[in-house]
Amino acid sequence: DIQMTQSPSSLSASIGDRVTITCRASQGISTYLAWFQQKPGKAPKSLIFAASNLQTGVPSRFSASGSGTDFTLTIDSLQPEDLATYYCQQYNSYPLTFGGGTKVEIK
Amino acid sequence: QVQLVQSGAEVKKPGSSVKVSCKASGVTFSSSVINWVRQAPGQGLEWMGTIIPTFGTANYAQKFEGRVTITADESTSTAYMELSGLTSADTAIYYCSRAPNSGYAHAVDYWGQGTLVTVSS
Repeated sequence: DIQMTQSPSSLSASIGDRVTITCRASQGISTYLAWFQQKPGKAPKSLIFAASNLQTGVPSRFSASGSGTDFTLTIDSLQPEDLATYYCQQYNSYPLTFGGGTKVEIK
Repeated sequence: QVQLVQSGAEVKKPGSSVKVSCKASGVTFSSSVINWVRQAPGQGLEWMGTIIPTFGTANYAQKFEGRVTITADESTSTAYMELSGLTSADTAIYYCSRAPNSGYAHAVDYWGQGTLVTVSS
């Protein structure tokens, strides 16, 4: 199975800050990586597919990059509504696997 | 707009089974891939299995092999996840998600609202 490791597990940032979350795969997954946002008490929402492509309707302050084993999700100018837990997921092969999540809190 | 509407919350006894449904609208079901993912209280996301409705066969996580059955009914654009042999460890929110069936790999674009399954005696 491909293990997905996210860091940090949590972070606290101020409104307007730039936030970066990393995700590492235990083996190469090309760009078969997605990012999801889960707000408290809500279902996950799809943010990014194919490592760097924004899903329809996702604000442009979100960006992502990477290929192979190392990936990043960046939020430029953090907003109050970005309070959430963010998950990466590889879909290169079964079993599909998720990172452990990064909880983003607002200072 | 695309919607995945799941069935309502369930309370089940240990040893019983639960069947959760996921009805898709606003999307071509036959060109979709449906995943089932669960989230135990305070925990992360855990993949359970995937079905491509057009083919009808499912891929399951080894952890659930033998206990989970995922099916799909193209006539009603509805996918189902049945989990048997329930224990308290199966108390979780169960989500369906959808990906377009295009190419080698399938990136999720939409999620259902989740179904809380509580296992308690």
